[in-house]
Amino acid sequence: DTAVSQTPKYLVTQMGNDKSIKCEQNLGHDTMYWYKQDSKKFLKIMFSYNNKELIINETVPNRFSPKSPDKAHLNLHINSLELGDSAVYFCASSQSGELFFGEGSRLTVL
Amino acid sequence: SQKIEQNSEALNIQEGKTATLTCNYTNYSPAYLQWYRQDPGRGPVFLLLIRENEKEKRKERLKVTFDTTLKQSLFHITASQPADSATYLCAPRGANYGQNFVFGPGTRLSVLP
Repeated sequence: DTAVSQTPKYLVTQMGNDKSIKCEQNLGHDTMYWYKQDSKKFLKIMFSYNNKELIINETVPNRFSPKSPDKAHLNLHINSLELGDSAVYFCASSQSGELFFGEGSRLTVL
Repeated sequence: SQKIEQNSEALNIQEGKTATLTCNYTNYSPAYLQWYRQDPGRGPVFLLLIRENEKEKRKERLKVTFDTTLKQSLFHITASQPADSATYLCAPRGANYGQNFVFGPGTRLSVLP
């Protein structure tokens, strides 16, 4: 049973389109995150939610909008996709320390 | 601003030797520090956590040290195996719950048979 699952695993789309990535965790954790890992493999935090409430919002363009319908889900919607948005997006959850990551969603913008 | 550096982008060692990876941080006073392993195409996986009042932590062939004076953590893999080949990420974290969970750039370790 996958602890943190993301869909889709791969996403190829054209510039200007809108796309969403979904994330679900079955660990009962209160906190969920979105990270972006670019082509240089640097892992950067984008957002963090605690019990459906936004607690971290790094300098991410407002084309990115996270939504947490409940504490087990944190979705990421991206509007007007740009070439620079191409990356692997990781969802993660934690309760009090270690992060549990999903397998990542590779987004390619053409 | 907070800065995290890991000693080298890539490290090659011979099987059986001890691999030592370094994590240095500046403008930061982490309450604890974590190490993760990431395999190609996979998400990072938690390995070890060490707190600021701990000097050393061990888990099987892994050992982590934490020197808050030097602002440095060392991660050792003894008797290394080709299966240890992966990217290793350090993640210092502050005491405040809402603080950023920042990762270092990672060191790609290759253990040669």
